Amino acid sequence: QSALTQSASVSGSPGQSITISCTGTSSDIGGHNYVSWYQQHPGRAPKLMIYDITNRPSGVSNRFSGSKSGNTASLTISGLQAEDEADYYCSSSAYSSTLFGSGTKVTVL
Amino acid sequence: EVQLVESGGGLVQPGGSLRLSCAASGFTFSTYSMNWVRQAPGKGLEWVSSISYSNYIYYPDSVKGRFTISRDNTRSSLYLQMNSLSAEDTAIYYCAKSGYYGDYDHWGQGTLVTVSS
Repeated sequence: QSALTQSASVSGSPGQSITISCTGTSSDIGGHNYVSWYQQHPGRAPKLMIYDITNRPSGVSNRFSGSKSGNTASLTISGLQAEDEADYYCSSSAYSSTLFGSGTKVTVL
Repeated sequence: EVQLVESGGGLVQPGGSLRLSCAASGFTFSTYSMNWVRQAPGKGLEWVSSISYSNYIYYPDSVKGRFTISRDNTRSSLYLQMNSLSAEDTAIYYCAKSGYYGDYDHWGQGTLVTVSS
């Protein structure tokens, strides 16, 4: 299976909102609700930011929010901050496999 | 606090084998599914293998037949036996704990595997 499709890069100024999209098919994103988002800073391990499409783990800022429509999931970062500059990956999990997105580099201008 | 510590990475020749380990602490290891995810240099994340708490095992086609995931609940440890390695397997390998919704809620720091002659 090919990776889920994400735009290569997104940028925004501090305080702005940006949205990262993740496009799959009816066999993955469109077929079930197990969509997650991960943040990865250079040289660091990924960190879970959103699970089950819209839920934030404890400790994750409420500036991060997730949604899904059809075969596309989205991550919105509001009130963009310098510390949000990182790579972001979506994922779609079925009971027997996980598919990751191609990754989006977020740049804070 | 959940901690996952990988070990066993290193330099291996093409066609060789390597066994990775992941020591887990801070949670009841035996009741969670566990996973391996890799990241080639400068590339994205790739799911490598999963093992459920009841020992159901899953692989993508890219590693099926070459990699074997296992767990030892008495040692709270996860393993990945990698055989017939090629340059395409060069990556940082992460151990990740499963959450309840198909997510990976905790990750180790990763261990680097380099396949080169």
